[in-house]
Amino acid sequence: DTEVTQTPKHLVMGMTNKKSLKCEQHMGHRAMYWYKQKAKKPPELMFVYSYEKLSINESVPSRFSPECPNSSLLNLHLHALQPEDSALYLCASRGSGRGEQYFGPGTRLTVT
Amino acid sequence: GDSVTQMEGPVTLSEEAFLTINCTYTATGYPSLFWYVQYPGEGLQLLLKATKADDKGSNKGFEATYRKETTSFHLEKGSVQVSDSAVYFCALSGDSNYQLIWGAGTKLIIKP
Repeated sequence: DTEVTQTPKHLVMGMTNKKSLKCEQHMGHRAMYWYKQKAKKPPELMFVYSYEKLSINESVPSRFSPECPNSSLLNLHLHALQPEDSALYLCASRGSGRGEQYFGPGTRLTVT
Repeated sequence: GDSVTQMEGPVTLSEEAFLTINCTYTATGYPSLFWYVQYPGEGLQLLLKATKADDKGSNKGFEATYRKETTSFHLEKGSVQVSDSAVYFCALSGDSNYQLIWGAGTKLIIKP
């Protein structure tokens, strides 16, 4: 099973709201990723967790706050977002293979 | 640094036509190479991969061969279907940190 799940599928939030995106995998993978994808573009890496520790933060604004509660779960907490943050947010995980990542279906975020 | 170059789209073909989407890369060492597919409104799916020179990845009738001499990993399919309409991303994972380096993506449109 190579499934990564994400909730919610769609999210509309105002600029003063606080919300969270959730990601879960049960493949025993120890690396998990958050990406942001704009329409017709490749994904942009935001954060990488390795063995539940944040290993890479690609200079993401502090209004995005990641959390890895355990080896299967990854959260992305959102606060005071801007309309330009509207995008598809993708979670991925990687096992011991040479770099292949398995992606969830994404959360379509709209900031109003 | 490492990079991936894909042919620009959209690529428009008739059903049952032969498909080639070109992908070339620049990388040090021996990267792993991947094709991902993104159907409308969905996340990214790993389509196929190759981890060393002359490896052929294949899945769902799609094939790609890792050619180190030409630094290429072209995607091919002998007979496309309308259901193959999607955006295709070529990606590589380097030796050192297993982060994915993405091509720009190629939109494929198959007409009945």
